[in-house]
Amino acid sequence: DTGVSQDPRHKITKRGQNVTFRCDPISEHNRLYWYRQTLGQGPEFLTYFQNEAQLEKSRLLSDRFSAERPKGSFSTLEIQRTEQGDSAMYLCASSSVTGAAGGYNEQFFGPGTRLTVL
Amino acid sequence: AQSVTQLDSHVSVSEGTPVLLRCNYSSSYSPSLFWYVQHPNKGLQLLLKYTSAATLVKGINGFEAEFKKSETSFHLTKPSAHMSDAAEYFCVVGKTSGGYNKLIFGAGTRLAVHP
Repeated sequence: DTGVSQDPRHKITKRGQNVTFRCDPISEHNRLYWYRQTLGQGPEFLTYFQNEAQLEKSRLLSDRFSAERPKGSFSTLEIQRTEQGDSAMYLCASSSVTGAAGGYNEQFFGPGTRLTVL
Repeated sequence: AQSVTQLDSHVSVSEGTPVLLRCNYSSSYSPSLFWYVQHPNKGLQLLLKYTSAATLVKGINGFEAEFKKSETSFHLTKPSAHMSDAAEYFCVVGKTSGGYNKLIFGAGTRLAVHP
């Protein structure tokens, strides 16, 4: 399978604990995105990497959240001191940078990591 | 600012009947618009995209959408629903800059298909 993969698929944690999620993009894609999806809502943009550089961060990404992409391949999203409001599906997507018709490079999404904070 | 509004949170149709999922958008400039589908336990999948070319856009699995600037709408249609179409559908607006799109999703429409 050469799609976007995420690990773990499910995570249950207690409030106050730290959690880390991993995303492996499609191998030739150098753009990587994180989104958060709460129940009954559409995904919301969190942050974006081009290679190892984090180029944009949403205001949703509080200082308890940190994302890295150290070698421009896989990425991690860490949440420190989790709160019940962090319970959501965390989605990762990747895209290429090569030219595409209409200037849009499709984002391919992984299956997500569902976080439950008790 | 850009946003999308999906006018129906739930739509229920019978198998073989037409599907209409409604979306209105707001954008201060010519938008890029998309429809994504999300099946349970699967990743979001792009159905179709509008990027200022033809206003009638054809996508996968028989879906199509028409961009109507005068109505600021981008409704998704399919002539005949299949059971496998049951899923969550998201209308999305994106700002394109050098191939990078910051996607802004609507709240979603859950489509149910009955035998």
